[in-house]
Amino acid sequence: DGGITQSPKYLFRKEGQNVTLSCEQNLNHDAMYWYRQDPGQGLRLIYYSQIVNDFQKGDIAEGYSVSREKKESFPLTVTSAQKNPTAFYLCASSIIPLGNEQFFGPGTRLTVL
Amino acid sequence: AQTVTQSQPEMSVQEAETVTLSCTYDTSENNYYLFWYKQPPSRQMILVIRQEAYKQQNATENRFSVNFQKAAKSFSLKISDSQLGDTAMYFCALGAYNTDKLIFGTGTRLQVFP
Repeated sequence: DGGITQSPKYLFRKEGQNVTLSCEQNLNHDAMYWYRQDPGQGLRLIYYSQIVNDFQKGDIAEGYSVSREKKESFPLTVTSAQKNPTAFYLCASSIIPLGNEQFFGPGTRLTVL
Repeated sequence: AQTVTQSQPEMSVQEAETVTLSCTYDTSENNYYLFWYKQPPSRQMILVIRQEAYKQQNATENRFSVNFQKAAKSFSLKISDSQLGDTAMYFCALGAYNTDKLIFGTGTRLQVFP
């Protein structure tokens, strides 16, 4: 079955530690996206990528980093510079990045202890 | 700048009844898509319905339909015969052809009561 997987589902981190969230898709989509969702709020774009080895900052990129070494994979690193990292993180992909439908993964809940 | 506004933070409806969720947007583009996504308690985002701006006919998907008013920049979602499984957050989203991202509204929390 084609789809998007995110792991882990729940992640706990101590303050000052970097942590990497995984996102993999087998839909052969060109574009991939990372969103942050805080309780009771909408989605805010962190980073996105239209092609391998290229990515752009979204609206709240500070304290985060990404890589796109393979078309299928778009990992997100939450660095210690992110002051309030506790949130729900969603990964998405789309076949055409120009405003088209995005398919979402199941999400990762990150909690900083 | 493109914006999406959902003015109803919370809505409730009784099972089997009809409910309409509102969405207004602003864009200077002529070519764009509009979407409604559903996020149930599992938090998985699911596409409910999509509308291409160049199409005059309103999109429908089973019990879900939209009222797309392009001149008014309005894109409401109607859910007919509401079911308990429709309980979720609903997000309206806008995607213009010459941009690389979707703009999401802040969401409407819908509760369906038995």
